[in-house]
Amino acid sequence: DQQVKQNSPSLSVQEGRISILNCDYTNSMFDYFLWYKKYPAEGPTFLISISSIKDKNEDGRFTVFLNKSAKHLSLHIVPSQPGDSAVYFCAASSPSGTYKYIFGTGTRLKVLA
Amino acid sequence: DVKVTQSSRYLVKRTGEKVFLECVQDMDHENMFWYRQDPGLGLRLIYFSYDVKMKEKGDIPEGYSVSREKKERFSLILESASTNQTSMYLCASSLLGPANYGYTFGSGTRLTVV
Repeated sequence: DQQVKQNSPSLSVQEGRISILNCDYTNSMFDYFLWYKKYPAEGPTFLISISSIKDKNEDGRFTVFLNKSAKHLSLHIVPSQPGDSAVYFCAASSPSGTYKYIFGTGTRLKVLA
Repeated sequence: DVKVTQSSRYLVKRTGEKVFLECVQDMDHENMFWYRQDPGLGLRLIYFSYDVKMKEKGDIPEGYSVSREKKERFSLILESASTNQTSMYLCASSLLGPANYGYTFGSGTRLTVV
């Protein structure tokens, strides 16, 4: 039972345009969400996070939007750059106090020069 | 910067071998985790630990065990390696605190079982 879903396995975007990566979750008790970026042969690196009490968080070119009623979050990258080409994972944290994250299956973003 | 170091980047082992994957973190984090990454399946939690000598099963613990004798070191053990354990293994650590600390990951170990 996949509690965190990324339904698009891949996405191609032209350099300079907006990239939108989507993530859906099923458990309304999730209270913290993160996005990680992963290059081949490297570990994932933290990109941006959002608490369930907010609906938007922005950091430079990266913005995460949270729609709690739809149980949906999205990552916007504007403008997209070739160096953004990577696999992006969303992750959700349960409020059980264990600080354990559940990850989605990932979306491979390719930014075309 | 927190560093999480995995001892091997690439490993090739034979079916039936006992395999040890080592992970060390240098920032006194309480939590440590082992995940495996497979195409189309994302990151799946194998085991985690909140303290020395403490361990809890994740979502896919079968065929694995772990050891945490010291706070900074968390080892993943494949008791008898099988070809379906060929995967990228990722170790992570985090503080025992608010969820917004997230994880710091190691660079991963690509294990091939032949």
